[in-house]
Amino acid sequence: ETGVTQTPRHLVMGMTNKKSLKCEQHLGHNAMYWYKQSAKKPLELMFVYNFKEQTENNSVPSRFSPECPNSSHLFLHLHTLQPEDSALYLCASSQGSGPQETQYFGPGTRLLVL
Amino acid sequence: RKEVEQDPGPFNVPEGATVAFNCTYSNSASQSFFWYRQDCRKEPKLLMSVYSSGNEDGRFTAQLNRASQYISLLIRDSKLSDSATYLCVVNGIGGFKTIFGAGTRLFVKA
Repeated sequence: ETGVTQTPRHLVMGMTNKKSLKCEQHLGHNAMYWYKQSAKKPLELMFVYNFKEQTENNSVPSRFSPECPNSSHLFLHLHTLQPEDSALYLCASSQGSGPQETQYFGPGTRLLVL
Repeated sequence: RKEVEQDPGPFNVPEGATVAFNCTYSNSASQSFFWYRQDCRKEPKLLMSVYSSGNEDGRFTAQLNRASQYISLLIRDSKLSDSATYLCVVNGIGGFKTIFGAGTRLFVKA
């Protein structure tokens, strides 16, 4: 399935590095999301974009910076991360932003911060 | 109290067994409810939405009890391929916000 793609699939970075995660959806959806999934913890919603506008920021530290240039692309820019930021970062999209919408997830980027 | 709580399991059941999972949520204003499935090292995928009247999809039955604030998932005639983590998802708390439970792990054995 290639509805939602994410690159890279794996990333190892040092605490002083700057990197970006990319997400692309091919479903014609209008809403996109970033989630963090740490080991043995629930998925945590980080950011929501609807029609390129950020509608939700769940108190995410500023070392995570999202960018949504259009409805099909979503980036997560990373800088000066901490080891506890190591996790699986999942992108998702949905047709709209209403509570009944089904979210479709990408395969995720597994991030390790050293 | 967690916003969405699930029994983490694991549930170990033989093939053909019936297994049920429960999920409780804390916000009575929650609007919509889902069960997602997540296989090991894979992304979550929608299993089914949960409606007030209850709904069934083949071997899977989902129910919502708004008065007691819980949802349930029943799997009949378990298959080996049902082995996965089942995530309870609640939407609509204070605007558009999605809350995932930590998931319940299921192992179906031959």
